[in-house]
Amino acid sequence: KQEVTQIPAALSVPEGENLVLNCSFTDSAIYNLQWFRQDPGKGLTSLLLIQSSQREQTSGRLNASLDKSSGRSTLYIAASQPGDSATYLCAPRWTYKYIFGTGTRLKVLA
Amino acid sequence: DAGVIQSPRHEVTEMGQEVTLRCKPISGHDYLFWYRQTMMRGLELLIYFNNNVPIDDSGMPEDRFSAKMPNASFSTLKIQPSEPRDSAVYFCASSPIDGLNQPQHFGDGTRLSIL
Repeated sequence: KQEVTQIPAALSVPEGENLVLNCSFTDSAIYNLQWFRQDPGKGLTSLLLIQSSQREQTSGRLNASLDKSSGRSTLYIAASQPGDSATYLCAPRWTYKYIFGTGTRLKVLA
Repeated sequence: DAGVIQSPRHEVTEMGQEVTLRCKPISGHDYLFWYRQTMMRGLELLIYFNNNVPIDDSGMPEDRFSAKMPNASFSTLKIQPSEPRDSAVYFCASSPIDGLNQPQHFGDGTRLSIL
């Protein structure tokens, strides 16, 4: 069975810290993995899509790495800001189906 | 370019009533996905379509749920009869023709409350 786990479930940090959000998944035969951000009462916003052949992907202060063989992905957020406060979801993709983790709720304090 | 559009944004109705949720995917996207999000179960895929054809409906919880995609620009998710446990946020998402290598784009969701 394909399962996705995200650690930690919640995180509260002061502004300016560099953050690491972890995602692990069973069954390494993924096509890609997507990181999303969800703000309260809103839909999901795609942050980064990393293909199975890639090791990492970067966008601004965000960097996602992928170790497919070990079933792990990590989202790094550099110099965190209060505006980064949201829930972050990782979603590996097997065939056309994404399976979502339960997310990490991040709060960045000013 | 308009994103995925869902309606209504909020729906409150009494149990036993029929509920219809609507979705307009991004123009040119060939894949459409319906998800349900609850506190207990997180985000779950209900059904997805490719070129208007349902491909995988294994996530549809019961026969009370049905989904259609009559054309490339419109899809509905219907619940009949509705029950309180159907209360959740329902999301629609779409992705382009090369669906395996493209990100999914989500709508803002429909928050459904069944009393």
